[in-house]
This record gives sequence, C-alpha cells and structure tokens, in this order.
Amino acid sequence: AQTVTQSQPEMSVQEAETVTLSCTYDTSESDYYLFWYKQPPSRQMILVIRQEAYKQQNATENRFSVNFQKAAKSFSLKISDSQLGDAAMYFCAYRSAWNTPLVFGKGTRLSVIA
Amino acid sequence: GAVVSQHPSRVICKSGTSVKIECRSLDFQATTMFWYRQFPKKSLMLMATSNEGSKATYEQGVEKDKFLINHASLTLSTLTVTSAHPEDSSFYICSASPPGRFREKLFFGSGTQLSVL
Repeated sequence: AQTVTQSQPEMSVQEAETVTLSCTYDTSESDYYLFWYKQPPSRQMILVIRQEAYKQQNATENRFSVNFQKAAKSFSLKISDSQLGDAAMYFCAYRSAWNTPLVFGKGTRLSVIA
Repeated sequence: GAVVSQHPSRVICKSGTSVKIECRSLDFQATTMFWYRQFPKKSLMLMATSNEGSKATYEQGVEKDKFLINHASLTLSTLTVTSAHPEDSSFYICSASPPGRFREKLFFGSGTQLSVL
C-alpha cells in the first residue's frame, strides 16, 4: 500500500520569505500523481499544485513550485513571497490512477508571521 | 473548475438518530465519489468509495451498516450515518473527479461537521 509522510507537523515563515514543506512517499508503481492541497480554517480543500510522475519537469503555479525527485520518492513544496493568506494546513497526497482515492500525509501547519 | 457541492455544512443531532449528507457534482458526471472523515487537527482518512449503480467499497474498520452510502445517479452520492453516537462526531468530506483532461484531479465538497449530542 502506498504511504505519504510529512515529517514537519508545523512550520513558520516570515511574510515575503520563502518556505519549503517536505513530503516523501512510498510506492512500487511507476506512474502516479502527486498533489499538494491547502486547507485553511474554513476546511475547504484547495488544490495548490499537481505533478504527474512521468514528467521530469517540476510543476509551477505562480508562487508555488515543487521539487519532484522520483528516484528519492520526494515531493517538496516551495512557497515564495509568502503571504498571510498562505497560512493553512498543507497536505501532500498521492494518487495511483485517475479513478482511485487520494492517500494523504498527516499534514503540515504553516504559520505566516507579519 | 469542477464544482462539488455538499450539504448540510453543519448538523447537530441527538444520539440514536440518523443523518444524511449529500454530495453533488454540479457540472460534471462522477461515476466514482470518495468519502473521507477528518478528526480535529488530523488528516483525511478514506472511509469508502462510492460507485454509481453498485455497492460502495468500504475501507477496513469502517462499519458499512453504520455508514450507508448510496450513489443512485451520476451526480449524487449520499452518506447516511445511522443511529449516530457521540463518537461519530467528526468532519465528513466528499470528493470526485471530472472526466476528461483533468480527471486525475480530485475536487472536494465543503464538508459537513457532524455533532452528535
């Protein structure tokens, strides 16, 4: 079974600075998808960024980018120019195929300091 | 983007009563929906996979007689918590993927906070 590990329960960053959230996963499959979801206090799950395992190029969405290391099974999220609105719980997630459920890590609570 | 609607957002009920939670895909058809449960400050745990026109698949440890799932149409899945007890109090959230180009993405409903007194 696939597992997702987020080793940082909490992180903090100064406004306008950069922070990196770590995620590792375990799988025997060669093709899969990886995601970062944001959950603010409203608890709405918001997709931040996704990465297809077959793509070597790291995904980027505005201030959010990932460092995908397939051989190391690592998938970290970098948030640049951090904003107060980035404060939330961040979940790393794995999906083996389009019709399968997401497997989530335990999450990292990000605080942004003004 | 795809929209998943979930109702109610919050429900308070007495112990022993049943509660139904609806999950609708508003602008796409979803043959499969997923139900998750989230305890305070914890991650999302998969409860079951809801398949249109067939029986749901439950994760190990989830009581299928307590958490009834019905996926009667391509846009609606319901979760009924039967004979609810205080330990069933939790945040329940559904999700679905649209077909086509972005089918690997899972979109989530806004969740339902269940409080059983």
